[in-house]
This record gives sequence, C-alpha cells and structure tokens, in this order.
Amino acid sequence: KNEVEQSPQNLTAQEGEFITINCSYSVGISALHWLQQHPGGGIVSLFMLSSGKKKHGRLIATINIQEKHSSLHITASHPRDSAVYICAVSGQYGGSQGNLIFGKGTKLSVKP
Amino acid sequence: KAGVTQTPRYLIKTRGQQVTLSCSPISGHRSVSWYQQTPGQGLQFLFEYFSETQRNKGNFPGRFSGRQFSNSRSEMNVSTLELGDSALYLCASRVAGSDTQYFGPGTRLTVL
Repeated sequence: KNEVEQSPQNLTAQEGEFITINCSYSVGISALHWLQQHPGGGIVSLFMLSSGKKKHGRLIATINIQEKHSSLHITASHPRDSAVYICAVSGQYGGSQGNLIFGKGTKLSVKP
Repeated sequence: KAGVTQTPRYLIKTRGQQVTLSCSPISGHRSVSWYQQTPGQGLQFLFEYFSETQRNKGNFPGRFSGRQFSNSRSEMNVSTLELGDSALYLCASRVAGSDTQYFGPGTRLTVL
C-alpha cells in the first residue's frame, strides 16, 4: 500500500466548477505539500501545510492531522488550471525534510 | 533570485553508458534533493545532500550516486545505464530547517 494515496486519479471539469482533490497518508509527517506539474515537467510548490488551512487566490488547501487527510480545492476553475496535482509528505518518522514521498498525482482537465 | 537550474535539459544515451546530471540550487540553499519520475513509478526520492554530505538515500541500486560541492551545486551520476533508467530527473533545493522545496525544470534522460 502506498504511504500517500490520492483521489481521484483523473478529473475532468467544466470551467467555473469547484474542484476537490483528496490526499490520505499513513505515516507521521512534519509537513504535507501540494505540487502542480504542467506538461513539460516543471513542478511548482503550491502549498506546504503542517496544520489548518491555507489560501492562495482561488486555491485552498486544508489538512486534518488526526485523520491524516488533506484536500486541495480550486474555486471557479479555469482551463489554465489543467495540470497534474501531486500530494507529497516530508519529515516522515521524524526523518529528513528533504525526502519527499509522493502520491501518484491527479490529472485535472478543465474544459472551456 | 535565480531559480534552481539543471543541465542538460535533454539527454540521449545508450545502454551501458554512464551519465552525469547537474543541479545548481537557489543561492543560499544548502540542501539539494534528487528525484526520478517515470510513468510507471511516478516520483521517487533518490537522495538528499546537505553541506556536501549525503543525508538520505532512496531505494535505488548503487549505480545511482551523487555528490555535492562546496558551493552547494550537486551532480548525480548513473553508471551502466539500463532502458528502465529513462526518466525525468528532478532536483529540488531548500533552506535548512524549512520543508518547502523548490524544483528545477528537470533533465529528461532517454536510454536507447
């Protein structure tokens, strides 16, 4: 079983829809990361969370430490949001923060 | 500040050859991590270097090695290339004590 599970694997939405991507993890961690990867490969760090909720523009990320679960929400989705969204955790078992364990990613396609 | 840079961006090699990839972190970042991304396995941690010392190593064979120089630039080497080594290799840098990693654009390696 993967230590980081994401759902759904694929998601197609119409422009303007509210989108939720979920992430569950099974180990103790120091932080959870949401990453965005566009075609071509470059990865951008969207959020780093150790508790609570963070918001940046139309993106909101939440984490529930007790339930080992995080969600990434996109409000008023737009075709430019089309990308792969990856959940990752760091500091597992009290180890190094430089070792990320990744989920398999969610491929989001937003249609105009 | 300039971002993380990786060279070369694309590389084609044949089985049995060796390859060296380079990563220059953001100025002031002393930690560099390397990751491999393949369609089958997704993103996987290779190793992390901090102040010229390897802090962590992922579950990869000894053909994969790396080093870090006093200016924090890092190289990874893969010897005796196999077809399965074809992948996108990403490096990421971070400030000591922070969980947030900044990714480079990656080197796409094709092994023929």
